[in-house]
Amino acid sequence: DAKTTQPPSMDCAEGRAANLPCNHSTISGNEYVYWYRQIHSQGPQYIIHGLKNNETNEMASLIITEDRKSSTLILPHATLRDTAVYYCIVRVALKLQGGSEKLVFGKGTKLTVNP
Amino acid sequence: NAGVTQTPKFRILKIGQSMTLQCTQDMNHNYMYWYRQDPGMGLKLIYYSVGAGITDKGEVPNGYNVSRSTTEDFPLRLELAAPSQTSVYFCAGGVGNTIYFGEGSWLTVV
Repeated sequence: DAKTTQPPSMDCAEGRAANLPCNHSTISGNEYVYWYRQIHSQGPQYIIHGLKNNETNEMASLIITEDRKSSTLILPHATLRDTAVYYCIVRVALKLQGGSEKLVFGKGTKLTVNP
Repeated sequence: NAGVTQTPKFRILKIGQSMTLQCTQDMNHNYMYWYRQDPGMGLKLIYYSVGAGITDKGEVPNGYNVSRSTTEDFPLRLELAAPSQTSVYFCAGGVGNTIYFGEGSWLTVV
């Protein structure tokens, strides 16, 4: 089962910042928080990931609370093309040697960017 | 999709038929995965592989088989198709901390 909790849906005005929250209160110390998004029925697209510190890349920023029990994905200037389902995922270590990780997906947040 | 290619994109199967979903990658990904996504739901891991010759079950492996004879290819086999296997299937490959997904294969079992 997914170890994260996200609101099922959110709306955002075009050009404004979209702040997507995620709760992961049972996260372990060595588990990363990943964000992916899925536009329509395409394959999920990697956005960003982090462990403890805040992270920023060309797509988004990730803010992780000090206790690591929650995080927020920020799209600084949302566009209509950012309308998608956003998945917050905690990485779980797989049992095979080599440390391969699986990503356990929940239902995500449906973000709608309105004109 | 970072070099992950799936075929076919669409397929209709009759109950009891068999088929193979093909997945190939050209980015030298060590890790490869097969997920399925039912309507309105998140993705469920079927099988995964950490390298050639090494595979293991994920969350929902029943009714499926995989092989990883080469680094590039990770086919998913459905032996006896059932209506419950109607879904969208995603192959993914990764190296390091990120996983890249293919565009998906839509499978309907009737």
